Amino acid sequence: QVTLKESGPVLVKPTETLTLTCTVSGFSLSNAKMGVNWIRQSPGKALEWLAHIFSNDEKSYSTSLKSRLTISKDTSKSQVVLIMTNMDPVDTATYYCARTVMDIAVGVASEFIYYYYMDVWGKGTTVAVSS
Amino acid sequence: EIVLTQSPGTLSLFPGERATLSCRASQSVNSNHLAWYQQKPGQAPRLLIYGASTRATGIPDRFSGSGSGTDFTLTISRLEPEDFALYYCQHFGRSLWTFGQGTKVEIK
Repeated sequence: QVTLKESGPVLVKPTETLTLTCTVSGFSLSNAKMGVNWIRQSPGKALEWLAHIFSNDEKSYSTSLKSRLTISKDTSKSQVVLIMTNMDPVDTATYYCARTVMDIAVGVASEFIYYYYMDVWGKGTTVAVSS
Repeated sequence: EIVLTQSPGTLSLFPGERATLSCRASQSVNSNHLAWYQQKPGQAPRLLIYGASTRATGIPDRFSGSGSGTDFTLTISRLEPEDFALYYCQHFGRSLWTFGQGTKVEIK
């Protein structure tokens, strides 16, 4: 059974750095077809993608938050860590990690078709930013 | 950067009715990288559809996805009480993920 679990502080102060950990089970972070994404959701707002990391250590970040984010993984511990610097009250949100799948199929012309999606999500961890 | 615009913002329907949700991309996208998610209050999102039209494991066949280019649709053929929720479309391209702003399907 595939599970992901987010952990981190419930409350951080403005200007502090947030460190979140996603601990996965049921799959390996070294699986070539898989990775982990971080997504957040402010109260009453839409989902906002933050960062992803794939098994080959390829990383990508939200354009608007790129300067504040760092994602990394420890395959031996089955953990993905997201660091967000200079926290602000607007960063108050529920933070989710999700498994990313890169699925490959063969098309009718024998071409490779790549699918990308997030198939299993953690329950999320709520972070409040307040002094 | 791709922007996904979902419409309507809220859909008010009776159980048993058909729901049609739209997701429009700001430019043509690879439909293989287009997914739909369902989110209920207090819960994490759940994958419904990937590749624009392939149902995820365990998703009932009343859910279907279609579309290509810039226009995509999620259809729920007959709404069950548990289908009243928020729905998001999502795209992955050029190493960036984008979510739409969501459509709420509520009981009329």
